[in-house]
Amino acid sequence: EDQVTQSPEALRLQEGESSSLNCSYTVSGLRGLFWYRQDPGKGPEFLFTLYSAGEEKEKERLKATLTKKESFLHITAPKPEDSATYLCAVPFSGGYNKLIFGAGTRLAVHP
Amino acid sequence: EPEVTQTPSHQVTQMGQEVILRCVPISNHLYFYWYRQILGQKVEFLVSFYNNEISEKSEIFDDQFSVERPDGSNFTLKIRSTKLEDSAMYFCASSEWKGSPEGQYFGPGTRLTVT
Repeated sequence: EDQVTQSPEALRLQEGESSSLNCSYTVSGLRGLFWYRQDPGKGPEFLFTLYSAGEEKEKERLKATLTKKESFLHITAPKPEDSATYLCAVPFSGGYNKLIFGAGTRLAVHP
Repeated sequence: EPEVTQTPSHQVTQMGQEVILRCVPISNHLYFYWYRQILGQKVEFLVSFYNNEISEKSEIFDDQFSVERPDGSNFTLKIRSTKLEDSAMYFCASSEWKGSPEGQYFGPGTRLTVT
């Protein structure tokens, strides 16, 4: 069964304290892994797409990496404005359109 | 920057009533989607739409739901005979093509409250 699991559920960091979020997936024939940021009461905001093991993408303080079974979102020297829920999603096996989302990691960065 | 827009931002309806949620996808996008997120739960896929027909739907998307692209810009989700459990955030999304490396762009959502 296609599944996306994210850990931890919640993460509290001090400003400047780097950490990593995990997304593990079970899907046949990965057609991309997507990272989104979601602020309370808002829609998911696209961050990255990764396609193959070993691939890395960076944007400001965020770096996403991909292995054959999981992806990591590394946050370097976070700031309070990085506080949000980070979601990962993969297309359902055999398709491109139906995204299966993980439950997300709620990140809180305190000054 | 182009964005997906949704109206209304909040809709309150009584159980058994019909509601129509509206979306304006990004103008050059060809694939359109509806997702929902019940409070505190995962974002769940409902349906995808391409070339004026449904291309994929989930088990949630039963006969109670329908989608339409009534003109060149709007994309709607109709929920007939709403139930209490339909209360959720409903997100519209669009993408340039299937498997687009830019991913699916999501709107801000419509909060549906069924009383």
